[in-house]
Formats: sequence, structure tokens, C-alpha cells
Amino acid sequence: SYVLTQPPSVSVAPGQTARIPCGGSYIGSKSVHWYRQRPGLAPVLVVYDDSDRPSGIPERFSGSNSGHTATLTISRVEAGDEADYYCQVWDTSRDHRVFGGGTRLTVL
Amino acid sequence: QVQLVQSGAEVRKPGASVKVSCDTSGYTFTGYYIHWVRQAPGQGLEWMGWINPNNGRTNYAQNFLGRVTMTSDTSISTAYLELSRLTSDDTAMYYCARPLCGGDPCDAYDIWGQGTMVTVSS
Repeated sequence: SYVLTQPPSVSVAPGQTARIPCGGSYIGSKSVHWYRQRPGLAPVLVVYDDSDRPSGIPERFSGSNSGHTATLTISRVEAGDEADYYCQVWDTSRDHRVFGGGTRLTVL
Repeated sequence: QVQLVQSGAEVRKPGASVKVSCDTSGYTFTGYYIHWVRQAPGQGLEWMGWINPNNGRTNYAQNFLGRVTMTSDTSISTAYLELSRLTSDDTAMYYCARPLCGGDPCDAYDIWGQGTMVTVSS
């Protein structure tokens, strides 16, 4: 089965840039979606199809995808960005959706 | 506005079954798949499968084959998830989610239910 690998945690100071990687075999050939989940709440879509943003998501959130790594980038990080972030792809070989293990973003 | 509202928390004994509902509004129910995702306490997201309410077709994750049934009632725009032979490992928050676009494949979920907590305990 297809596996997505995320680091358990990323820390960044306010105002700096956070980069959250999501590794997978030839993930660059897939569409990657990213979700933010705050404690006790349902996930929220922040980036879809590698780099598109749903309405209402600030331009500070961006995504890229190439080779074996997709990356969610959050510019000018704010305290409110502290949350768990998950990547997701479609595993076409089994027609299943797959989530990464999640990365906790800590704002120092 | 588009909304998914799920049924309330459930407690079941091991070996029992549970059925969770996802009441939809604000869009054409048959135009979008409904996916189900669960999250055990302190753990990550796990995809369970989808149902196409237009024709009742389903696609279940390998981990749940034989134990999961997804259905829908188009007359009341509601989707259901039923999980049988519950164990303590099934204790989790269960979410329904609607993709950004209709048809398949489309799996960026822009609308989520609030979640239903299912606790399995003797």
C-alpha cells in the first residue's frame, strides 16, 4: 500500500516560514491535499491539488510537489497556525485515499 | 450553506455494531460522493471509504472489508456508516466529508461533519 511520511513535529518562531514535508514514492505524479486540524475540531482543507487554496484560506499557505516530496509552506507564521497538518493523496493502484501520519506545528 | 451534521456520540460493547448518520443540506446530495474518515484518540486520520449517493456504489478501505457498510437515503439526503464486530481499537471520532467537486476521483474534502465519537468498552 502507498505510504506517506511526515515528520511528527515542526517548530517555528512567529513571523518565520514553516515548511512541512510529505514524502511518498513518486508523489510528484499525484495530486496532494493538505489539511489543518486544531484540537477538538474537524480538519480544514488548506491546500488542494498540490498548490491551490480554497476560498477563505490566506495566501500565506502554499504548496509544492515534485519528485518524492510534497511540501506545505506557511509564510509569516502566526500563533493561530499552531495545529496538526495532514497530507493526503489518492492511491490509484488500490483506488484508496491515504493520509500521512500528521505533523504538529508548534509556534515558539 | 453546505452543511454535514452527524449523529451524537455512541457507546458500544465489544462485538456490537454501530450506525452513524451524516445529514446533509445546502447542495444536491446525489451530486457528490460522501467519504468517511476516522481518528482514534491522539492518532492520525484514517480513510474508511466512500459512497456515491447517486447509485449506491461503495468503495471500502482494505482494513474494513467485511465489517463496514456505507449506505445513503436520497429522500432525506443522509448518508450512513455502519461498523460491525467492534473492538476497543474502533474507539475513535468518525467523520463524514464531502469532496470539493462531484464525480470520482475527487477527494479534497472541503466540507466535514462535526464528528461522532464512538467508544467501545465492556
